[in-house]
Amino acid sequence: DTGVSQNPRHKITKRGQNVTFRCDPISEHNRLYWYRQTLGQGPEFLTYFQNEAQLEKSRLLSDRFSAERPKGSFSTLEIQRTEQGDSAMYLCASLPGGTYGYTFGSGTRLTVV
Amino acid sequence: QKEVEQNSGPLSVPEGAIASLNCTYSDRGSQSFFWYRQYSGKSPELIMFIYSNGDKEDGRFTAQLNKASQYVSLLIRDSQPSDSATYLCAALTGGGNKLTFGTGTQLKVEL
Repeated sequence: DTGVSQNPRHKITKRGQNVTFRCDPISEHNRLYWYRQTLGQGPEFLTYFQNEAQLEKSRLLSDRFSAERPKGSFSTLEIQRTEQGDSAMYLCASLPGGTYGYTFGSGTRLTVV
Repeated sequence: QKEVEQNSGPLSVPEGAIASLNCTYSDRGSQSFFWYRQYSGKSPELIMFIYSNGDKEDGRFTAQLNKASQYVSLLIRDSQPSDSATYLCAALTGGGNKLTFGTGTQLKVEL
């Protein structure tokens, strides 16, 4: 695998349901980032991990959002009690230590109806 | 004031012309800057980065950085219809731990 893999590609859910997204970074990339992008906006930082440690979480992120990266490999992003405002593209990016040119995955497009 | 600002466009240029995309940033501590291209419905892909004042060239692309003016630009020479996309400018912020993106400039290259 030569890229960042995200699943699912699309998710439609009803308001109030919980959803979970998965990101598999490029092998041996120790940094992993989650961003959210809405139409007409740039990607907005959510959180990032170095190995298994979550080092920063955006103040914009409500407590309905949680992310994990067990064993420093893949990561999951969970949104509880989804709201229509959560509809967006959720992007994962990874990179090796010492560089900052993110490689983004294809993203997960979430639609809350 | 947003940390990274871009004109949303659209910027329209004829095929073969030079497209000039601009970006300003507010954090003087930002040291590195990145340009990403994003096609509609796709994720951003890195074009190039710059961290020294001056110009950096890579094929048809030239990134320019002026730290005194807090200004970054991307020039695309010999623009092609396939260059039509949204171009995102990003600055390394937060103590050097994450990229902060602008809203992007939509570029349209017309035949």
